[in-house]
Amino acid sequence: EAGVVQSPRYKIIEKKQPVAFWCNPISGHNTLYWYRQNLGQGPELLIRYENEEAVDDSQLPKDRFSAERLKGVDSTLKIQPAELGDSAVYLCASSSGQGLGDNEQFFGPGTRLTVL
Amino acid sequence: GESVGLHLPTLSVQEGDNSIINCAYSNSASDYFIWYKQESGKGPQFIIDIRSNMDKRQGQRVTVLLNKTVKHLSLQIAATQPGDSAVYFCAELLSGYGQNFVFGPGTRLSVLP
Repeated sequence: EAGVVQSPRYKIIEKKQPVAFWCNPISGHNTLYWYRQNLGQGPELLIRYENEEAVDDSQLPKDRFSAERLKGVDSTLKIQPAELGDSAVYLCASSSGQGLGDNEQFFGPGTRLTVL
Repeated sequence: GESVGLHLPTLSVQEGDNSIINCAYSNSASDYFIWYKQESGKGPQFIIDIRSNMDKRQGQRVTVLLNKTVKHLSLQIAATQPGDSAVYFCAELLSGYGQNFVFGPGTRLSVLP
């Protein structure tokens, strides 16, 4: 079974440019997460989806970040415009989310964003 | 192995020795904890979990200990192997905020030949 798929794996852009990341979760997983991981730190949650609904986006900088999960499967995370401080690894994870014991999150390999 | 606290982000152990990685969590209401392993260029990978109604759980070569009195979590790796070299994160689930995990800063484990 395929794991969580993310693309692109690497992205280099100049500041003020837009950028988008794509995530395909594990088949059947209703819960999808986007995290940002700065160098040398643990992942920080940006947004959590239950099916197509964003149930927690309190940590998403809404002035420049947006996300969508149409049809409750794939998801995209967008930054417009990007700033230097946005350089990080953006991780997508999914879980079945059926209960406390099923909260194991499966992570994708991440997209490493470098803003110049 | 050598026990380290959060203020020491790197742990070096000899191959074959036991490793102990520590984590202090922040919220006494957290009721579920996971240890993740992250290798370079990859996403975090689940190692072992424990619920707050337990104080110990064992897996294959790994043991997690939970001390709720002092809000402390540890990961013990027996007979550490070169493939164990990675960054290890603990994550706590704050149930009051839905199913959102909060990750600790991580500890880098280096296994010396």
